[in-house]
Amino acid sequence: DAKTTQPTSMDCAEGRAANLPCNHSTISGNEYVYWYRQIHSQGPQYIIHGLKNNETNEMASLIITEDRKSSTLILPHATLRDTAVYYCIVRLLLTGTASKLTFGTGTRLQVTL
Amino acid sequence: SAVISQKPSRDICQRGTSLTIQCQVDSQVTMMFWYRQQPGQSLTLIATANQGSEATYESGFVIDKFPISRPNLTFSTLTVSNMSPEDSSIYLCSVFTLGEQYFGPGTRLTVT
Repeated sequence: DAKTTQPTSMDCAEGRAANLPCNHSTISGNEYVYWYRQIHSQGPQYIIHGLKNNETNEMASLIITEDRKSSTLILPHATLRDTAVYYCIVRLLLTGTASKLTFGTGTRLQVTL
Repeated sequence: SAVISQKPSRDICQRGTSLTIQCQVDSQVTMMFWYRQQPGQSLTLIATANQGSEATYESGFVIDKFPISRPNLTFSTLTVSNMSPEDSSIYLCSVFTLGEQYFGPGTRLTVT
C-alpha cells in the first residue's frame, strides 16, 4: 500500500471550512484514497473515499488532484464534534474484497470556538 | 452498514494472565481484522481473520501471543496471552463488507 503524509495537527474555527491535506505521491493506478476519523476513545469512522474524481457526501468532500499524488478532505462547516484525528489511507479495492487498511499517524484537527 | 460489538469494553488484568476479547457483527462478513492501538499511537494491524482459513499475522505479531478464532461469519475472538504491561492498549475488531470497513468500539486493556 502506498504511504501517505499528513500534517501532524491543524486548528479550525467552528463554522469555517476545514481543509485537511494528504500527500500520496507513490499511489498506484488502482489504489483508492480513503479518509477515516477517530474521535477520542472511539473506533475509527469511515468518512469518504475516491479513486480519481472528486467525491462528496453528507459528511465531507474529497478533492483529488489530477495526478492523484495528493488529496484534500474538506469539512465545509466544522463543528466542535469534528475534533478528531483524521487518517488518509490509500488501499487497493477489488470487487468484494480489499487490501488491509494501514493507518499512519494522521492529522489531529482541533475545532475551536 | 455493519454494527460491531466487543466484549469486554475494558478490563484490568494482572501480568502473566490471558484475556479473550469477543467481536460480534450483526451481519455475515468474510473479512475481519484485529487492530491494536497503544496509548497515544495510531492503529496497528495485528492479523486478518477470514472465516474458513487460518489467521494471517502481521510482522511482529505471532499466533502464540495473539491466538485468534473465527468459528463463523459473525464472530471472532482475540486472546492476549501471558500479558505484560506493554500489552496495555485498545484492541479493535474491524470488518470489511459492502465496500466499506467498519470498526468496533474497542476493548481497553490495562495490564498491571
